[in-house]
Amino acid sequence: KAGVTQTPRYLIKTRGQQVTLSCSPISGHRSVSWYQQTPGQGLQFLFEYFSETQRNKGNFPGRFSGRQFSNSRSEMNVSTLELGDSALYLCASSLTGGIALDTQYFGPGTRLTVL
Amino acid sequence: QKEVEQNSGPLSVPEGAIASLNCTYSDRGSQSFFWYRQYSGKSPELIMSIYSNGDKEDGRFTAQLNKASQYVSLLIRDSQPSDSATYLCAVNRKNRDGNDMRFGAGTRLTVKP
Repeated sequence: KAGVTQTPRYLIKTRGQQVTLSCSPISGHRSVSWYQQTPGQGLQFLFEYFSETQRNKGNFPGRFSGRQFSNSRSEMNVSTLELGDSALYLCASSLTGGIALDTQYFGPGTRLTVL
Repeated sequence: QKEVEQNSGPLSVPEGAIASLNCTYSDRGSQSFFWYRQYSGKSPELIMSIYSNGDKEDGRFTAQLNKASQYVSLLIRDSQPSDSATYLCAVNRKNRDGNDMRFGAGTRLTVKP
């Protein structure tokens, strides 16, 4: 079974732009969650989607948003990029229980650099 | 005080020894606790999850949870060089938007042959 896939793997943007990242979960998984990882702040939870609805949310500003499609694929959008948004963005999928209950399987991540 | 704190390490143990990784958390309402392993340049992978007080064993790994002391630990028995990685403690708690997952900064473990 194929793992979690994320596209693109690398991205360079400039301040003020917006960006959309994509995540395809493991087949049969319906929960998708997003994380940001930086050397300074470590791994931080952004939000989780299940059945096309945001089920859980971390402590990030409204510039960070996401959505999930009927096939469970998810996108994350960051608007008005700031230098501090440079990070590895990880997507994880799980069956149905989500971040509180299920094993999360992480994708390889998208490395975003904001210049 | 950070919400999830880990001994930052690095922690170095000889092959075959027991590695002990510790984590404390500040929110008494936390409900689920996880240990992730992250190899350098790779994504995290779940090692153990624990939800109730006590010990949970899976092969060479044992997670211990003490909610009264707000403490969770991971013991790795018979440590192998392949266990060398950063170990992340994660704690799930309720927030106004449902659930939130908070991670510690990680403990880097090196197992020396």
